[in-house]
Amino acid sequence: AQSVTQLDSQVPVFEEAPVELRCNYSSSVSVYLFWYVQYPNQGLQLLLKYLSGSTLVKGINGFEAEFNKSQTSFHLRKPSVHISDTAEYFCAFNTGGFKTIFGAGTRLFVKA
Amino acid sequence: SAVISQKPSRDICQRGTSLTIQCQVDSQVTMMFWYRQQPGQSLTLIATANQGSEATYESGFVIDKFPISRPNLTFSTLTVSNMSPEDSSIYLCSVAGTEFYNEQFFGPGTRLTVL
Repeated sequence: AQSVTQLDSQVPVFEEAPVELRCNYSSSVSVYLFWYVQYPNQGLQLLLKYLSGSTLVKGINGFEAEFNKSQTSFHLRKPSVHISDTAEYFCAFNTGGFKTIFGAGTRLFVKA
Repeated sequence: SAVISQKPSRDICQRGTSLTIQCQVDSQVTMMFWYRQQPGQSLTLIATANQGSEATYESGFVIDKFPISRPNLTFSTLTVSNMSPEDSSIYLCSVAGTEFYNEQFFGPGTRLTVL
């Protein structure tokens, strides 16, 4: 079955520290991978995507993610977080159609 | 990217009533999607709505409970019928990207509380 696992439900981190949000997926076919961010009381916003090519993908707000096919992972990283990065982050994929599978989300809480 | 608006942004409703949520897109799109996000959980796809045809519902969702209209290429509505407290959720509409249809753009969501 196709699924996305976000290994951490909550990640507390101090401001200016690095952060990694982990994501693993399960699919028997090739996938397109996404990270979305949801700020409080808002809809989802696309942070970055991997479609093909370079496995290191850079997104908005200084985030990047690396696609690792052998480990079926797509971890999200930021070298130095800000208070404003506090949000819910969703990893997702689809296999080329319109249906997207979302992970359960990771709540990033940045502390001063 | 598409700009999507939803009305209402939030509502508090009584058990047994119905609420219609509107989704407006600033450009013509082929496919629109309706999701439910229950408290503290991820997104679950309710249905896919194409203009001019019946919506396609995911397992666990039925048209009688969640009727959808798609009268044109920029607008859709989702009705939550005969509501119960279990329907308290955020309802989000989204559209597929035009350059890369695999990605989706989301509206701000409608936060529904059923008493």
